[in-house]
Amino acid sequence: KQEVTQIPAALSVPEGENLVLNCSFTDSAIYNLQWFRQDPGKGLTSLLLIQSSQREQTSGRLNASLDKSSGRSTLYIAASQPGDSATYLCAVRLPYGGSQGNLIFGKGTKLSVKP
Amino acid sequence: DGGITQSPKYLFRKEGQNVTLSCEQNLNHDAMYWYRQDPGQGLRLIYYSQIVNDFQKGDIAEGYSVSREKKESFPLTVTSAQKNPTAFYLCASSWDGRDGYTFGSGTRLTVV
Repeated sequence: KQEVTQIPAALSVPEGENLVLNCSFTDSAIYNLQWFRQDPGKGLTSLLLIQSSQREQTSGRLNASLDKSSGRSTLYIAASQPGDSATYLCAVRLPYGGSQGNLIFGKGTKLSVKP
Repeated sequence: DGGITQSPKYLFRKEGQNVTLSCEQNLNHDAMYWYRQDPGQGLRLIYYSQIVNDFQKGDIAEGYSVSREKKESFPLTVTSAQKNPTAFYLCASSWDGRDGYTFGSGTRLTVV
């Protein structure tokens, strides 16, 4: 059974810092890994999608890496801003379904960027 | 713009009442999903559908029902059998196994 863990559960940093959010998964047999952002009371916004054959993806100040063999992904946020404050969710897509579905989520890292 | 529309944004249910949450997508995605989100528990899958007129139970399907009569639509009914329905409900869709998921903006359901 695939399990996804995100560490830390919460993070508070001053504005301008570069930061790293971590995601680990137990089974390396994945199609892809997706990072989402969720603001309070809102839906999930997709940030980056990394296919299993890729090592990283970049979008603006965000960079996500994937090391499938070790079951790890990191989301790097450069020059953090108060507007980056949100919960960040990592999810892995499996090549098979089941009662959990084929997208397995971590519980998220709640990020607070202080002005 | 393509996307997923969930309605209503807020919904209140009286004891013993059935309510239906709407989810519509114009992304031409084959697969659609319903998740429930509770504080501290993460997202849990209720039902999913990979093709029209077919759907499968997720981990927490009891007390819920769905239909998939059209590719664009995947409504979720919360029945009176669901004893603790207060939660945030999220609908999602995807293209194929290597595509990412797209989520709607959610419906917050409260029992009054």
